[in-house]
Amino acid sequence: QQPVQSPQAVILREGEDAVINCSSSKALYSVHWYRQKHGEAPVFLMILLKGGEQKGHEKISASFNEKKQQSSLYLTASQLSYSGTYFCGTERFLNDYKLSFGAGTTVTVRA
Amino acid sequence: EAQVTQNPRYLITVTGKKLTVTCSQNMNHEYMSWYRQDPGLGLRQIYYSMNVEVTDKGDVPEGYKVSRKEKRNFPLILESPSPNQTSLYFCASSRDSVSSGNTIYFGEGSWLTVV
Repeated sequence: QQPVQSPQAVILREGEDAVINCSSSKALYSVHWYRQKHGEAPVFLMILLKGGEQKGHEKISASFNEKKQQSSLYLTASQLSYSGTYFCGTERFLNDYKLSFGAGTTVTVRA
Repeated sequence: EAQVTQNPRYLITVTGKKLTVTCSQNMNHEYMSWYRQDPGLGLRQIYYSMNVEVTDKGDVPEGYKVSRKEKRNFPLILESPSPNQTSLYFCASSRDSVSSGNTIYFGEGSWLTVV
């Protein structure tokens, strides 16, 4: 079952912050985040394993709340280059191999 | 350069005409998988392979076949394409499962239209 992402779209001005959420009705072992620019392949950003850790990638960070089966991606002080569609991917257990993805959140950053 | 290469990148075909989308990776990865991407639905996994000769179904395998005879190649076969298989297809690979800490790499995508 695919995880649910929210919001579907967000428009930001440069320097503003945003949060994208990814929720699952099933227990998860890992959540990973990807960014896809228009017309390009998705690019892997980071993975979070159950345990509630937080990770960062430049000014993009994420957290994973194992109890809620929810992950959040934080875009801080957004830059024009952050524009794109962000997807979360999930696995139910270690070495699941069967990945499920959210429908995506389109982020537009304007000058 | 680490690459996942798909061919063709763009294809318009007719209903029922068998076609194959090739996927090749140069990173000696064990894990390869195929996805289709449709508006509003995101990526959905079609098939995946953990190693040579080992494949399994993803969430939407109907109408597709795969094979993994060599480590580097993982072709996607549409035996009798139908219009509902019109989509953007991505092949991906990683050294092992993503949950064990491996980065997954995607190909450039193949736009397939079935008329």
